Amino acid sequence: EAGVAQSPRYKIIEKRQSVAFWCNPISGHATLYWYQQILGQGPKLLIQFQNNGVVDDSQLPKDRFSAERLKGVDSTLKIQPAKLEDSAVYLCASGRISGSPLHFGNGTRLTVT
Amino acid sequence: KQEVTQIPAALSVPEGENLVLNCSFTDSAIYNLQWFRQDPGKGLTSLLLIQSSQREQTSGRLNASLDKSSGRSTLYIAASQPGDSATYLCAPASSGGSYIPTFGRGTSLIVHP
Repeated sequence: EAGVAQSPRYKIIEKRQSVAFWCNPISGHATLYWYQQILGQGPKLLIQFQNNGVVDDSQLPKDRFSAERLKGVDSTLKIQPAKLEDSAVYLCASGRISGSPLHFGNGTRLTVT
Repeated sequence: KQEVTQIPAALSVPEGENLVLNCSFTDSAIYNLQWFRQDPGKGLTSLLLIQSSQREQTSGRLNASLDKSSGRSTLYIAASQPGDSATYLCAPASSGGSYIPTFGRGTSLIVHP
């Protein structure tokens, strides 16, 4: 089966600019997660979707971050405006159902200057 | 809020050694626990998943144990090889419906020839 696809792989922007990341999960996977991984730390959950509904977004900085999963398949994560501390790798993961093994994409490395 | 600690933070060993990586978590009400490996610049690859009702899982040279009541899991790597060099992360998933994995910072492993 094809894995989780993410794009772009790298992105460099200036602070206060906006950026968007895209994720295509494994076909048929109902759950989709966005994690933020700052260098030297473990991934931190930003948002979890079940199909096209939000399960948990308690750690998403909603003043600047937004995410959607239209039609319960692809998802986009947006940051507007970006801050220096948003520099991180943004990882997308999917699972067949909630509680099943997670499959991760290769992530998008964001650098905010 | 679940807190996950992994010890040691880093490990460097000669090829052939048997290794023990430790993971502890504060909330024992978990649904399952996954172990992942992360190679530099890549996403996470699932190694093993242990359900909360299980005591251990094995895959090849890897064996993971779970003591839910004490909030501990151990990943045992037998006969380590240079290809095992990576960061290993554990992620207990909360029970109660959402089953969200929370990650530790990981153990960075180097196996030298």
